[in-house]
Amino acid sequence: GAGVSQSPSNKVTEKGKDVELRCDPISGHTALYWYRQRLGQGLEFLIYFQGNSAPDKSGLPSDRFSAERTGESVSTLTIQRTQQEDSAVYLCASSGTSGTSYEQYFGPGTRLTVT
Amino acid sequence: GDSVTQMEGPVTLSEEAFLTINCTYTATGYPSLFWYVQYPGEGLQLLLKATKADDKGSNKGFEATYRKETTSFHLEKGSVQVSDSAVYFCARSGAGSYQLTFGKGTKLSVIP
Repeated sequence: GAGVSQSPSNKVTEKGKDVELRCDPISGHTALYWYRQRLGQGLEFLIYFQGNSAPDKSGLPSDRFSAERTGESVSTLTIQRTQQEDSAVYLCASSGTSGTSYEQYFGPGTRLTVT
Repeated sequence: GDSVTQMEGPVTLSEEAFLTINCTYTATGYPSLFWYVQYPGEGLQLLLKATKADDKGSNKGFEATYRKETTSFHLEKGSVQVSDSAVYFCARSGAGSYQLTFGKGTKLSVIP
């Protein structure tokens, strides 16, 4: 079946502009995650959704970052007033909630460049 | 908090060499452990996993054993191929939770 998809694959924006990144999880997966991967770094957790609610927003780096999920499906990550330090690959993952292995399936990512 | 420490790269090996990438994790709770792989130009893929102590995860000739006594989950392969060139990430789940904590990644290059 279809995996996790993300759009756009690449985004170049000017400092101070707002951007929206989209994630389509695997059909039927109730959990959805956003991570950030800066150049040469590991993945940094941003936010987690269970259904449409976000019980853990602790990883969001500032109030310029927000995310929402509708219909237990698509999620959007919005970055307002982008800064150069926001440049990174933003990864989305989804998982089912059966079992305890917490296996997450990742999308290809959106590469964000803030100029 | 939770953390994962893995061997820094880059690692360069000749084809058919033995590979070990070390990974240790903080011992809070009873995490599941994972190795993810990111091939050039591709997304992150789950390579293998282990959910409890002494479990061995294996896939594509790679193996890793969940060692609670040493809080380790080292990745091994007996004979690497050029196609194994990628970045490898070790990860653990949170203590009873969903969030994955990743190591910084180890870049492996295999030369013919």
